[in-house]
Amino acid sequence: QVTLRESGPALVKPTQTLTLTCTFSGFSLSTSGMCVSWIRQPPGKALEWLARIEWDDDKYYSTSLKTRLTISKDTSKNQVVLTMTNMDPVDTATYYCARGLEGVGGWLDPWGQGTLVTVSS
Amino acid sequence: QSVLTQPPSASGTPGQRVTISCSGSSSNIGTNFLYWYQQLPGTAPKLLISRNNQRPSGVPDRFSGSKSGTSASLAISGLRSEDEADYYCAAWDDSLTGVVFGGGTKLTVL
Repeated sequence: QVTLRESGPALVKPTQTLTLTCTFSGFSLSTSGMCVSWIRQPPGKALEWLARIEWDDDKYYSTSLKTRLTISKDTSKNQVVLTMTNMDPVDTATYYCARGLEGVGGWLDPWGQGTLVTVSS
Repeated sequence: QSVLTQPPSASGTPGQRVTISCSGSSSNIGTNFLYWYQQLPGTAPKLLISRNNQRPSGVPDRFSGSKSGTSASLAISGLRSEDEADYYCAAWDDSLTGVVFGGGTKLTVL
């Protein structure tokens, strides 16, 4: 059974850097073709894809956010970490991680339960 | 403004058939597979339709997907109250080198 779980601070101040961790089980990011993506959803709004890291350490970022995002993996811990710099109240959202497959870009299954991050002073 | 375009809302009565459209471009839907996600209230999205028209295990056959050119649609037949949810389409975009989502369609079962 594949599961993912997001963790990180519930509250960050404007201008701070957010660090989120996705801890997963049931698959390995050292397996050919495996990927993990981060997606966010502001309250009452649509899903927005943020970043993806692949088994071979290839990385892809949202063009609108790429200057603020860094994605990395720790294969031994089954974890993927996303950092987002210079946080702003508009970044308030539920942040999800999801398993993906290389070469099948839109396939995201399953998703973690999400973690709500509020940006406020 | 989402890259993929969906109607913001749709509705139907129990037993009816409803369709939700998703429009894109040659760099996303026109070239790559289209996926549909269902987000029930207060929960994480769930993969509903894979690779344009394939149902993952456990998804009822009341749900079906199709794609033509740069557009796609999700059809739900025999509408049930538990289908009330937000539905999102998604695809890889070759120009943006990332996943793009639609703005979501809120389905109401009247």
